Amino acid sequence: EVQLVESGGGLIQPGGSLTLSCAASGFSVRNTYMSWVRQAPGRGLEWLSVIYSAGGTHYADSVRGRFTISRDISNNTLSLQMNNLRVDDTALYYCARDRANWGMSDFWGQGVLVIVSS
Amino acid sequence: ETQMTQSPSSLSVSVGDRVTITCRASQSISNYLNWYQQKPGKAPKLLIYAASSLHTGVPSRFSGSGSGTDFTLAISSLQPEDFASYYCQQSYRAPYSFGQGTKLEIK
Repeated sequence: EVQLVESGGGLIQPGGSLTLSCAASGFSVRNTYMSWVRQAPGRGLEWLSVIYSAGGTHYADSVRGRFTISRDISNNTLSLQMNNLRVDDTALYYCARDRANWGMSDFWGQGVLVIVSS
Repeated sequence: ETQMTQSPSSLSVSVGDRVTITCRASQSISNYLNWYQQKPGKAPKLLIYAASSLHTGVPSRFSGSGSGTDFTLAISSLQPEDFASYYCQQSYRAPYSFGQGTKLEIK
């Protein structure tokens, strides 16, 4: 059974750093694309980043230079290192498995909440 | 960067209604267009990919169409469990942007 479980969220002060993790089971993160998507309270979905099976990455303009996506193949986990956090980074963060053929996210975690506040 | 524009942003509908939601891309995305459903407090779920392909387990009352820049999600006969928010997403070229969403509300 495919499962994604995010962790690492919490309350952090502006300017701080946080690393989110996404534990995958039922498939290998090495063989697929994986992405991060967030949703601010009461707002829509915002795509953040993708890591391709070959290891290449892309970022949204809003997080490029501050966030870093990576994967740990031995532990089958996806990570999002978030630096220089801002109040407007407050959101529920989802990891998702993407299919390489059409790029759709066919499986999502339950989300992890990040609150950036002083 | 491709901008995705959905309309309407909200819709008041009744059970049994036929519903149509549109999504427009700021440049051609071929048919790399996905639709998701999200219910309050839940993660999004994939409904349709490649503009018109139904994801596994999705009821046949959902359908998608379009190519290039203009796309449509249709629900043939709205069921109570369909009251939710719907998002389009382009997966043609990163960043893989979402539309702003359409919320279906009970009339």
